[in-house]
Amino acid sequence: QVQLVQSGAEVKKPGASVKVSCQASGYTFSSYGINWVRQAPGQGLEWVGWISPYNGNTNYAQKFQGRVTLTTDTSTSTSYMELRSLTSDDTAVYFCARDLMNAMASWFDPWGQGTLVTVSS
Amino acid sequence: SSELTQDPAVSVALGQTVRITCQGDSLRSYYASWYQQKPGQAPVLVIYGKDNRPSGIPDRFSASTSGNTASLTITGAQAADEADYYCYSRDSSDNHVFGTGTKVTVL
Repeated sequence: QVQLVQSGAEVKKPGASVKVSCQASGYTFSSYGINWVRQAPGQGLEWVGWISPYNGNTNYAQKFQGRVTLTTDTSTSTSYMELRSLTSDDTAVYFCARDLMNAMASWFDPWGQGTLVTVSS
Repeated sequence: SSELTQDPAVSVALGQTVRITCQGDSLRSYYASWYQQKPGQAPVLVIYGKDNRPSGIPDRFSASTSGNTASLTITGAQAADEADYYCYSRDSSDNHVFGTGTKVTVL
């Protein structure tokens, strides 16, 4: 079955960087984009960015421009999200999700299980 | 940037019908998709496109769109439907946004 499995929880100090992985299985990895979404404690979902494993094209939310980098490794069907200059506001669960779309809609399915990133001194 | 607005919370009696709405300008051009999220779990896709359910999603979930408002309807709500629900859409400028979320309580 189509599945996304993410790396484990991280604890980082303010100013540090974190890199979260998302390994896909059950489908042709290069055929679908990967989105990254985060959810701060008790808050809603926030889109972080998108990457195409086919050609490496990326699209980042303006809020994260210059601080986030999405990459992929097609040899292992894995996508990575690196977030730099962490502050306590970055404490959140980070999800990856496969991107599907047609001319009139876009949707995410499935989602990874989530990775908790805690930023604390 | 685009915004999608949802009512913060709604309640429904067991077996009754509840409608969750999502308002935003991007919905005039693109259909919303809808996600169910239970505490401590990842979101799950329940509706995509005009009114399509992924495999395994009960047919009590349906969707519609009128103007700048998308709606998710649960007909015959079950205790298992108690969750947070988020709409999502993109716009012509390739902005991607989630709705503010609606907490559904089944009484």
